Amino acid sequence: AQSVTQLDSQVPVFEEAPVELRCNYSSSVSVYLFWYVQYPNQGLQLLLKYLSGSTLVKGINGFEAEFNKSQTSFHLRKPSVHISDTAEYFCALLTYSGTYKYIFGTGTRLKVLA
Amino acid sequence: DTGVSQNPRHKITKRGQNVTFRCDPISEHNRLYWYRQTLGQGPEFLTYFQNEAQLEKSRLLSDRFSAERPKGSFSTLEIQRTEQGDSAMYLCASSSSKQGIYGYTFGSGTRLTVV
Repeated sequence: AQSVTQLDSQVPVFEEAPVELRCNYSSSVSVYLFWYVQYPNQGLQLLLKYLSGSTLVKGINGFEAEFNKSQTSFHLRKPSVHISDTAEYFCALLTYSGTYKYIFGTGTRLKVLA
Repeated sequence: DTGVSQNPRHKITKRGQNVTFRCDPISEHNRLYWYRQTLGQGPEFLTYFQNEAQLEKSRLLSDRFSAERPKGSFSTLEIQRTEQGDSAMYLCASSSSKQGIYGYTFGSGTRLTVV
């Protein structure tokens, strides 16, 4: 069965410090991996995606992620966070069985401290 | 293209009442999806339409839930006899079969609170 695990439910970090949000997946087929951000009472905004090719993926707002097949990971990183990055971050796997649908992790709440 | 639109944004209802949400997908998208996100969890797939046909329903979709997409354009999700456990964010997404994995777009969601 396919699944996504986000290892940290909450990550506090000081402003301008680097951050890494961890994501591991389980899949026996080719993977399409995504990171979404959700601000309070908002929908999902796509940060970045890995479909194929280069394992280092750059997204919006200075975020990047690295696909590591051997470790089945897709960790999200940012070298210097801002207060405005405070939000919930979801790692997701796009699966196919007749149509494409997402399997999401449980989310990581990033809290940036002044 | 105004994206995927969901209405209402928020809904508060009393336990036992019926509620209906609407989703307007991106106009050229023939596929439409509903997801549910409970507090502290990621979104979970509920159901999927291709044009007007409902092709897949998750086991999460109990008998009290019904979704329609009558003309292959907008979709409604109705919950009958709401329970407190139905409190969640209901997200709609749409995509095009021509675009495959690309173009999958989420709406801003409808937050339901059952009191």
